[in-house]
Formats: sequence, C-alpha cells, structure tokens
Amino acid sequence: NAGVTQTPKFQVLKTGQSMTLQCAQDMNHEYMSWYRQDPGMGLRLIHYSVGAGITDQGEVPNGYNVSRSTTEDFPLRLLSAAPSQTSVYFCASSYTGGTQYFGPGTRLLVL
Amino acid sequence: AQTVTQSQPEMSVQEAETVTLSCTYDTSESNYYLFWYKQPPSRQMILVIRQEAYKQQNATENRFSVNFQKAAKSFSLKISDSQLGDTAMYFCAFMKPSFSNAGGTSYGKLTFGQGTILTVHP
Repeated sequence: NAGVTQTPKFQVLKTGQSMTLQCAQDMNHEYMSWYRQDPGMGLRLIHYSVGAGITDQGEVPNGYNVSRSTTEDFPLRLLSAAPSQTSVYFCASSYTGGTQYFGPGTRLLVL
Repeated sequence: AQTVTQSQPEMSVQEAETVTLSCTYDTSESNYYLFWYKQPPSRQMILVIRQEAYKQQNATENRFSVNFQKAAKSFSLKISDSQLGDTAMYFCAFMKPSFSNAGGTSYGKLTFGQGTILTVHP
C-alpha cells in the first residue's frame, strides 16, 4: 500500500512551458485535492475532486487545470508556467471523517 | 469563508518540557472538524490529531493533546515531554463537511493556518 504518490519530486521550468504534476493513490479514496505551499501562507487549495469525472475549483485555481478520469489518479496541469507558480505542490486524498493523507510533495521552480 | 489563524510564527522548547501551540478559527458552522498537521524538514505532511466539533471531549494521541474551546473558537495543541523529533512546522486546519456519498462519508475542503515553526532544543 503506497498511499499517495507524486511525481516528479523536483522540476525546473522556463516561463511559458507547460507540464503535468502526477498524483496517484491506492486507497480507493473518493476525495482528492491539490494544494500549493508558499512561505508564510500555509497551504492553499487549488482544485479538488469528489470522485471520478467530478472536479471543482479551490481558492487559487488560476493557471491550473485538473481532470479525474479514474479514482486513483488526479493530475495537475500547468498550462503556461509563470514565476508566481514557483511553489511546493501537495496532493492529498481523503477517507471518511475528513482526514486527508498527503503525498510527499513536488517542488517546482519556474525561471 | 472560514479563516484559521496561528499567531505564533515560531516557538522553541527544551527537550522533555511542555509546549502549547495556539490556533483560532472563524466560522458560523456548528458541525466541522479541526486538525493539527506536522511538517518536518522532509516536507511530508503528517496528521497529528483530529477533533470533531460535536465531541466535547478533547482529543489526545500519546504525548499530543488539544484544548478545544468551541465557544471561543480556539484549538490549541499541547505537546508533552517534547522530543527532538518534534521539531517541525505545525499547521492547524479547519474542515466543514461539504460532500457526502451514498455511504454517508463526509468530505470537505481544508483551510490551513499560516503555520508555527517549533524547535526543540537538547
């Protein structure tokens, strides 16, 4: 049981490039979400999903897209990377009662 | 919208002593969950403790306990017998159950505080 996995661990992009951050969970959790962590601001919700085929925006969705074709996978796409998207990104999935389990994070640097 | 405030950016404590981290939140909801997460230098987010708002009894997990004051909207974390491995960033988080499935499972979006960096000194 691997829990929540994220790839890559670290990525450097140039402004304007696109990329996909991968997230997968093997716990059959229905709820999955993406957060970004910036210094002094805690974690902020980007997008979330309550099941396959259902996604919605969180607090800071601009510049990001998501899709959920399976229960296991919830990729986050950066359409045209900007320096303001330099951050650490966390994927999480949730079991009953609201407890969310986090992946190890992806550190993204946009030059 | 809910807000979560951690007023202590940094705290320090000597090994084996007790430390309390503060958290306040603002909500008009009566049914919600509160969490403390720990983030060590490895960056992994680890659940420390969870409290359901309808339960009056304060949650405890080994050396970790909370003081949940619902009327005051306060949710502090007490760490007893501090250990070097407790050195980490600690986040307080709020969740209002917003979604449920046919089995009655409830989910919701987490709102985090800004975090408190705790350093345990030998």
